[in-house]
Amino acid sequence: DQQVKQNSPSLSVQEGRISILNCDYTNSMFDYFLWYKKYPAEGPTFLISISSIKDKNEDGRFTVFLNKSAKHLSLHIVPSQPGDSAVYFCAASAKGGTSYGKLTFGQGTILTVHP
Amino acid sequence: EPEVTQTPSHQVTQMGQEVILRCVPISNHLYFYWYRQILGQKVEFLVSFYNNEISEKSEIFDDQFSVERPDGSNFTLKIRSTKLEDSAMYFCASSVLAGADTQYFGPGTRLTVL
Repeated sequence: DQQVKQNSPSLSVQEGRISILNCDYTNSMFDYFLWYKKYPAEGPTFLISISSIKDKNEDGRFTVFLNKSAKHLSLHIVPSQPGDSAVYFCAASAKGGTSYGKLTFGQGTILTVHP
Repeated sequence: EPEVTQTPSHQVTQMGQEVILRCVPISNHLYFYWYRQILGQKVEFLVSFYNNEISEKSEIFDDQFSVERPDGSNFTLKIRSTKLEDSAMYFCASSVLAGADTQYFGPGTRLTVL
């Protein structure tokens, strides 16, 4: 199932700089997108989401951009902090039909922020 | 801040045994989910549950699996006869609405089948 793809397995960034995590999707029925952060041996923690009617959503240091024509979204973290080091998952849910909120996840990107 | 809780944090069982994984969703949430993550793989959807019924299930969720909301707070996942390949992290999640709404995840139960 490759409907949601995060092509970069890892990203390394200096503290204070911008982190940009990318996600691509293929299912045009997806209409809600979320980013989760995960530490080892913990559950995914919700970070930020975006509906398909928007192209940008901002919450503090986190901004998600959605390009529907390219079926691409990205998460920007500015400024990056060492505590942001974790695995970041992109997830999507589809509208309508019999879908009741099933989330389809990407493979995750390991972000390392160096002091 | 309300959170989803799961017990146990780690369950070790012998192949063929039954296991029950427990979750307490956030109290005002109406939709409940189970996901799993096999080591090194993606988080995968198993099942969604609403109004005491399964709303949707994946092809992974076969007859060995069942879910139940036995009372007003708990949400359980039962695996009737565990297989080696059931070893994974199992995450419970809940949301107020389905679809365009945020799902909040519990810390997970690590299931090890020997």
